[in-house]
Amino acid sequence: QKEVEQDPGPLSVPEGAIVSLNCTYSNSAFQYFMWYRQYSRKGPELLMYTYSSGNKEDGRFTAQVDKSSKYISLFIRDSQPSDSATYLCAMQTRLGGSNYKLTFGKGTLLTVNP
Amino acid sequence: DTGVSQDPRHKITKRGQNVTFRCDPISEHNRLYWYRQTLGQGPEFLTYFQNEAQLEKSRLLSDRFSAERPKGSFSTLEIQRTEQGDSAMYLCASSLGQSQPQHFGDGTRLSIL
Repeated sequence: QKEVEQDPGPLSVPEGAIVSLNCTYSNSAFQYFMWYRQYSRKGPELLMYTYSSGNKEDGRFTAQVDKSSKYISLFIRDSQPSDSATYLCAMQTRLGGSNYKLTFGKGTLLTVNP
Repeated sequence: DTGVSQDPRHKITKRGQNVTFRCDPISEHNRLYWYRQTLGQGPEFLTYFQNEAQLEKSRLLSDRFSAERPKGSFSTLEIQRTEQGDSAMYLCASSLGQSQPQHFGDGTRLSIL
C-alpha cells in the first residue's frame, strides 16, 4: 500500500460545478497537509497548507482534513475553465531533527468545460 | 519575491552524457529541496539542503547523482552517465524554515535520446 493514495481521474465537470478531490494516507506521522495545482509543463503551485483537522477556506477553495480517518479533501466552488489542471495532494513528515520532505499523491487531472 | 528559478527549462542529451541543472531559490529561503517527477506521477523527494549542508538524500539518488549548494545560495544537480530512466522533470523547491510550505520552480525537463 502506498503512503498516499489519490484517484488520478481524469475528472471532467461543467463550468460552475462544485469539485471534490480526495486523498487517503496510511502514515500517522504526517503532520502537515497541502494541495498543489500543476498546469501542464509547469511546477506545482501551492494552493492550501493546513495542519490541524477541520476546514480551511481561501476564496473558492476549501481544504478539509480528517486525521482520525486519514483523509483529506479539496473542494472547489464555482469551478472555472482556468481551474483545469492536475491537483496534487502532499503531506509533510518529520524525518529527523528539523528536516522535512513532501510525499505526494499521483495527482488528479481536472477539466472544467465552458 | 521572484519565485524559484530553474535553468535550463528543457535539456535534451544523449545517453551516457553528463548534465547539470541549476536552481535559484527564493532569496530569503534557507531550505532547498530537489524532487523528480515522471509522467502521471507526483513528485518524489531526492535531497534536501539547509543552508549549504546536504542533510537528507533519498535512496532514489544513485551514485551517479550529486547535488551541491555552495554558500547556501543556488544549488546544482548533476547527473553523470545519463540513462534512459533518468528522463523526467527535475523540480526544485525552497522554504523559509521549519514547518513552512515549500514553493516550487517550473522544473527542468530532461529528455535522454
